[in-house]
Amino acid sequence: DVKVTQSSRYLVKRTGEKVFLECVQDMDHENMFWYRQDPGLGLRLIYFSYDVKMKEKGDIPEGYSVSREKKERFSLILESASTNQTSMYLCASTVGGHEETQYFGPGTRLLVL
Amino acid sequence: QKEVEQNSGPLSVPEGAIASLNCTYSDRGSQSFFWYRQYSGKSPELIMFIYSNGDKEDGRFTAQLNKASQYVSLLIRDSQPSDSATYLCAVKHPTGNQFYFGTGTSLTVIP
Repeated sequence: DVKVTQSSRYLVKRTGEKVFLECVQDMDHENMFWYRQDPGLGLRLIYFSYDVKMKEKGDIPEGYSVSREKKERFSLILESASTNQTSMYLCASTVGGHEETQYFGPGTRLLVL
Repeated sequence: QKEVEQNSGPLSVPEGAIASLNCTYSDRGSQSFFWYRQYSGKSPELIMFIYSNGDKEDGRFTAQLNKASQYVSLLIRDSQPSDSATYLCAVKHPTGNQFYFGTGTSLTVIP
């Protein structure tokens, strides 16, 4: 079974703090993704990575950065957390090839005070 | 225009009935389509994917794809209360690695 894990289920941070969210997958997937999910807005892509040290901006990259130093690990960084970054953050990875199914981690619910 | 559109619902059906969930997409070149189920507070889980026009069946679930109409649907037969969830339609970018998600349809199956 594919397993995607995220470092925290719940986080509470203060405005201005630097926040690290980590995602690890154990199936040697090439592609990894970070989304945020907000009521009424659905899943929105922040960044994705198609290889180690490679990244591409998604639809809402402002205020975020990412790091992929190892194939299995993809980190999302909030440089200076703001209250409008309170959200559910979901990491996903894809099998690749024809199927391209995304497998999601359990999510991190972040509250910025 | 959004890449993927779904009726947000809520959709309510009685137990045992057929639930029909619909999705339209804007990029005519799209080739890969996915349905995910998401329970409240949980992450999305894949139900099924479809690439070819027509129907694809998996147990109580049938995905239907009509590329000419840019329309994909999910039918759930013999609906159960445990099917109550939000259903997300996703479409893969035709040339890139991105996936586009609809906002989801909330389904409630009434016992």
